[in-house]
Amino acid sequence: EPEVTQTPSHQVTQMGQEVILRCVPISNHLYFYWYRQILGQKVEFLVSFYNNEISEKSEIFDDQFSVERPDGSNFTLKIRSTKLEDSAMYFCASTEGYIQPQHFGDGTRLSIL
Amino acid sequence: AQSVTQLDSQVPVFEEAPVELRCNYSSSVSVYLFWYVQYPNQGLQLLLKYLSGSTLVKGINGFEAEFNKSQTSFHLRKPSVHISDTAEYFCAVSAGPSGNTGKLIFGQGTTLQVKP
Repeated sequence: EPEVTQTPSHQVTQMGQEVILRCVPISNHLYFYWYRQILGQKVEFLVSFYNNEISEKSEIFDDQFSVERPDGSNFTLKIRSTKLEDSAMYFCASTEGYIQPQHFGDGTRLSIL
Repeated sequence: AQSVTQLDSQVPVFEEAPVELRCNYSSSVSVYLFWYVQYPNQGLQLLLKYLSGSTLVKGINGFEAEFNKSQTSFHLRKPSVHISDTAEYFCAVSAGPSGNTGKLIFGQGTTLQVKP
């Protein structure tokens, strides 16, 4: 069964540094999402992406965050200047239609020191 | 805006016993409802979904859920649990057709602990 893959599985970064989290969605999917889960808390929506543009973003997704689909297969989340509170598990998801269930990757654990 | 409340943070249960994990939602529009399971160090896996039609939906691994519009609930049930069902369970809601981008709003999660 096709999977959403995320790399790296664990990223350790110094505060203030830029970080890029990478995702390869399922190939025929059209809608892409990033979520995050701070340790011990619920999964929170960050951003949705369709037709090469952001379709919705949450309050968390401020100017420090950006997303890109650079080559038709990868879907990246960039955090420009990381803060301690950015430490979380970040999940990528994709779906073929917005009412279809989302398929999630295994996540990237981001640790900011 | 939508919100989801999972009333139990932890549910301990003995193997082969029945279990119910509770989920209530609030929304001013029609919604789609989902249950996801998360095993340690893994992503979220879809258990079942309610989009429309029959209010009783069956999912993988013997789980089922019932959509109750009047009580705005979508409780998850399994008649007989296994040790392997030990995991975190998340209820999620997505807005209905109007202006939907598909974003999921999750509850806090319920840890199901199945004891031998």
